[in-house]
Amino acid sequence: DADVTQTPRNRITKTGKRIMLECSQTKGHDRMYWYRQDPGLGLRLIYYSFDVKDINKGEISDGYSVSRQAQAKFSLSLESAIPNQTALYFCATSAMDRGFNQPQHFGDGTRLSIL
Amino acid sequence: RKEVEQDPGPFNVPEGATVAFNCTYSNSASQSFFWYRQDCRKEPKLLMSVYSSGNEDGRFTAQLNRASQYISLLIRDSKLSDSATYLCVVNVLGNEKLTFGTGTRLTIIP
Repeated sequence: DADVTQTPRNRITKTGKRIMLECSQTKGHDRMYWYRQDPGLGLRLIYYSFDVKDINKGEISDGYSVSRQAQAKFSLSLESAIPNQTALYFCATSAMDRGFNQPQHFGDGTRLSIL
Repeated sequence: RKEVEQDPGPFNVPEGATVAFNCTYSNSASQSFFWYRQDCRKEPKLLMSVYSSGNEDGRFTAQLNRASQYISLLIRDSKLSDSATYLCVVNVLGNEKLTFGTGTRLTIIP
């Protein structure tokens, strides 16, 4: 079983719809992240969380919201989807070790298309 | 200037050759460094961490040059399966987030 699981894997929806992407992990990590990836732009951080109910904005948080109600789960919502939110979305987790950020572990990704 | 910069490539390299690419970072307070590999339409996967003294894992060697603020990745005896995009990742001391480069695309040619 995957350590970091994203659902759904693929989603096609219409402009204006509300969408939720789910991420769950079995690694026991405190830190969880949501990224989007667009061709030529690399990974861009949307939101991150270091603990239950801890929420922090990343570099492109507008149009998105997140929820961290349990250590193992971090959900991303698009309140009113627009076409330029079409992208590949990744959830990631990590731990801290002696004050250093450890490498992040990624889920398989969610391919989202907004028509 | 971007925090982390990589040559996007593509690097087209014959099988068996040695290939190297660099990644530069702008913040001298950067403290942790990693190389990730990403296959097309797949998630990034950790390839190796980069230590101050340099480190090797099989055919892969990573180096850190703090004075010039770059890290490098060397792949020896390249295989077709090495074809992927390689992401440079940097963490700045006191910054809670990792910063990803946009990646270098490598294609190994039979």
